[in-house]
Amino acid sequence: GAGVSQSPRYKVAKRGQDVALRCDPISGHVSLFWYQQALGQGPEFLTYFQNEAQLDKSGLPSDRFFAERPEGSVSTLKIQRTQQEDSAVYLCASTKSVGYTFGSGTRLTVV
Amino acid sequence: QQQVKQSPQSLIVQKGGISIINCAYENTAFDYFPWYQQFPGKGPALLIAIRPDVSEKKEGRFTISFNKSAKQFSLHIMDSQPGDSATYFCAAGIQGAQKLVFGQGTRLTINP
Repeated sequence: GAGVSQSPRYKVAKRGQDVALRCDPISGHVSLFWYQQALGQGPEFLTYFQNEAQLDKSGLPSDRFFAERPEGSVSTLKIQRTQQEDSAVYLCASTKSVGYTFGSGTRLTVV
Repeated sequence: QQQVKQSPQSLIVQKGGISIINCAYENTAFDYFPWYQQFPGKGPALLIAIRPDVSEKKEGRFTISFNKSAKQFSLHIMDSQPGDSATYFCAAGIQGAQKLVFGQGTRLTINP
């Protein structure tokens, strides 16, 4: 596609519920990133894939967060047993070499 | 040491004026410094980026100034327009690692 597509755009989850956020990167982009953006803050790195390999997951805040990209294209960020502090916008970005293209994000609200 | 500090938090500039946003970093391993523009409800969009081997880069009305010894860089927006009203983020990264560390953001308002 022309841009990075994320779905859903909005998600409201009850505390304790599991959620799955999807990212469809630009075709041909080898690298894919997930960032978390709290309200009024800059994005914070979560994890990075090169093709299907997860090369860096140092930013995942806990073992409740899990990301995968099994075929090297679409990626899913899964959050288990959501908590209120997980409320944020989750941004996906992709790149072929240098310079990210971000999606519009998924706004997750945990109630 | 991984932080990037950005100032000011918010900025109001008159139409036609110059908007200046500053960032400072600690990690001397950083070798890639992009600026992103973000509108409400959208993801950040890459504006302009610089590497530490140059002191200035200009693209249209946007200029990055880079001071390696002071570990500071800044974004200048010339002839600021109401359509430039957005939140701006500086970032820093290490090319090989590709992940970026972002500043806290500056909410820019251009008054008509």
